[in-house]
Amino acid sequence: ETGVTQTPRHLVMGMTNKKSLKCEQHLGHNAMYWYKQSAKKPLELMFVYNFKEQTENNSVPSRFSPECPNSSHLFLHLHTLQPEDSALYLCASSLRQVVNQPQHFGDGTRLSIL
Amino acid sequence: QKEVEQNSGPLSVPEGAIASLNCTYSDRGSQSFFWYRQYSGKSPELIMFIYSNGDKEDGRFTAQLNKASQYVSLLIRDSQPSDSATYLCAVIPNTGNQFYFGTGTSLTVIP
Repeated sequence: ETGVTQTPRHLVMGMTNKKSLKCEQHLGHNAMYWYKQSAKKPLELMFVYNFKEQTENNSVPSRFSPECPNSSHLFLHLHTLQPEDSALYLCASSLRQVVNQPQHFGDGTRLSIL
Repeated sequence: QKEVEQNSGPLSVPEGAIASLNCTYSDRGSQSFFWYRQYSGKSPELIMFIYSNGDKEDGRFTAQLNKASQYVSLLIRDSQPSDSATYLCAVIPNTGNQFYFGTGTSLTVIP
């Protein structure tokens, strides 16, 4: 059983919809991450929060908007997405954002854009 | 040049054999190396990680680092059908504090 919980597990939305992905971790970690996983591609880091402060934004389009209200919760707000945004979105956490800390993943949200 | 490269496979081994998975990295100064296992439809699960100071063995799994040739290996002894999954390699280069993942190698253990 994962210590990182993501909801919903599956999401189908139109290009004009607004939806949010939620991630919650029960591991006492202070760093949280959003990744995008597409077929045949490496995991792509999107955003990093360390102690609730955003520390990384890997040139992610503004139609993706993260929010981290506390160290246990992370959201990804979606609006006006494109078909190429269909992918598995993974949340991860680690004790803190330092070089040698392993990351623990949630089961992901499978997103399909119509 | 990609930061981390893996052969996508599929790699097939018979049950009980040793499976050998390799991952090459571009930043010579990389210090931390991670292996994850991902079953279809599931999240990546951390198997083990090593630092630049040595190899590590954990049960049937051994991670080995070859700094001169810039690759890290994962050996799985006595392979079981339950080991069938995609194995992701992740590296933290010396230049940054984020993970770079490979595309993963698909492993099938044949009963």
